[in-house]
Amino acid sequence: GQSLEQPSEVTAVEGAIVQINCTYQTSGFYGLSWYQQHDGGAPTFLSYNALDGLEETGRFSSFLSRSDSYGYLLLQELQMKDSASYFCAVPMNSGYSTLTFGKGTMLLVSP
Amino acid sequence: ETGVTQTPRHLVMGMTNKKSLKCEQHLGHNAMYWYKQSAKKPLELMFVYSLEERVENNSVPSRFSPECPNSSHLFLHLHTLQPEDSALYLCASSPGYATNEKLFFGSGTQLSVL
Repeated sequence: GQSLEQPSEVTAVEGAIVQINCTYQTSGFYGLSWYQQHDGGAPTFLSYNALDGLEETGRFSSFLSRSDSYGYLLLQELQMKDSASYFCAVPMNSGYSTLTFGKGTMLLVSP
Repeated sequence: ETGVTQTPRHLVMGMTNKKSLKCEQHLGHNAMYWYKQSAKKPLELMFVYSLEERVENNSVPSRFSPECPNSSHLFLHLHTLQPEDSALYLCASSPGYATNEKLFFGSGTQLSVL
């Protein structure tokens, strides 16, 4: 089976940097994705890592270490609009696009 | 506008009712998905269609019945639901059915079963 662990909640202030960790257990590894979901909204894709290292997209970066079965999402220069839930996800089974998601980390950004 | 539209946004139904959830994608994608999102739980995959054929059925009770008449539309037919089926039902699409495909989600239908 597959499982993903991430913290349930993280708090930070505007302008700060926050890191959301994700550890996973899978029988085969086909990449780690991150999605953002605002309250009442649709989950939206943020990033995908198939190889070790850091991928940067603007204020958001995502890191992967396959040997540690670990990844994280790094959010810099936090803004109030970043308050949302963040989910890590891995492909199920044989690596098709069907994803298993973590329970999500709720990020609360305060002024 | 996410490109994936779900209707209705909210639905309240009794346990003996029959209702349907509708999903439409305007992205030209070939794969569509139903996910269930309950409080304090991860998103749970329900069904996957690729090129209008069901390719995955994740042990979902028969009171949920999917239908994919074409690559742009996906339905979830509901009948004799239970209160524990109350959840947010999310539809998603992707360009194909392969590794690292990005999923595009709709905003969901918030279902309450009384």
